[in-house]
Amino acid sequence: EVQLVETGGGLVQPGNSLKLSCATSGFTFSTAWMNWIRQTPGKRLEWLAQIEDKSNNYFISYLESVKGRFTISRDDSKSSVYLQMNNLKEEDTAIYYCTHNNPFAYWGQGTLVTVSS
Amino acid sequence: DIVLTQSPALAVSLGQRATISCKTNQNVDYYGNSYMHWYQQKPGQQPKLLIYLASNLASGIPARFSGRGSGTDFTLTIDPVEADDTATYYCQQSRNLPFTFGSGTKLEIK
Repeated sequence: EVQLVETGGGLVQPGNSLKLSCATSGFTFSTAWMNWIRQTPGKRLEWLAQIEDKSNNYFISYLESVKGRFTISRDDSKSSVYLQMNNLKEEDTAIYYCTHNNPFAYWGQGTLVTVSS
Repeated sequence: DIVLTQSPALAVSLGQRATISCKTNQNVDYYGNSYMHWYQQKPGQQPKLLIYLASNLASGIPARFSGRGSGTDFTLTIDPVEADDTATYYCQQSRNLPFTFGSGTKLEIK
């Protein structure tokens, strides 16, 4: 059974940082292309970042509006993907999901990030 | 970026057909495939993949769901609708980065 479990969300003040983790099981992580997607309080879904597998040199793509603030990474030995978020803004408040490959057949339950003073 | 436009809401009577549309501002076809996918999201749950590449039923999804379209015009059809189909339905394109989603269509069953 495919499982993705996101952790690391919480309440953070604007300008601060947070690192999200996504632990996975049930599929061959090392060959999966992993993504982070968020859903805003208004229910809008927004793709944020993708990291490809080793055979593609772990190529990374970002949504332009988070480039330079967010960093996606992976640890194949732990079947985990991460999202480092710096200089957080109130508009980053959302539920953050990790997914693999495309289309996004499997989603975790999400982790809530609230950016507020 | 490719923009996907969906109607915000739709109300359909139980047992009838629901047709949800998604229009894009750019062609999402490439080498014979339409890179359009559909998801269902119920309150408090994560999105669930229903249809991929415009018309292919995802694993475990009942045949009441179907998708069609190409280029810039796509539809998701549920026939017949059941009470459990109350949800928000999103389209998503993977033709170009950044991957983008429609704003969702909320389906109400009357």
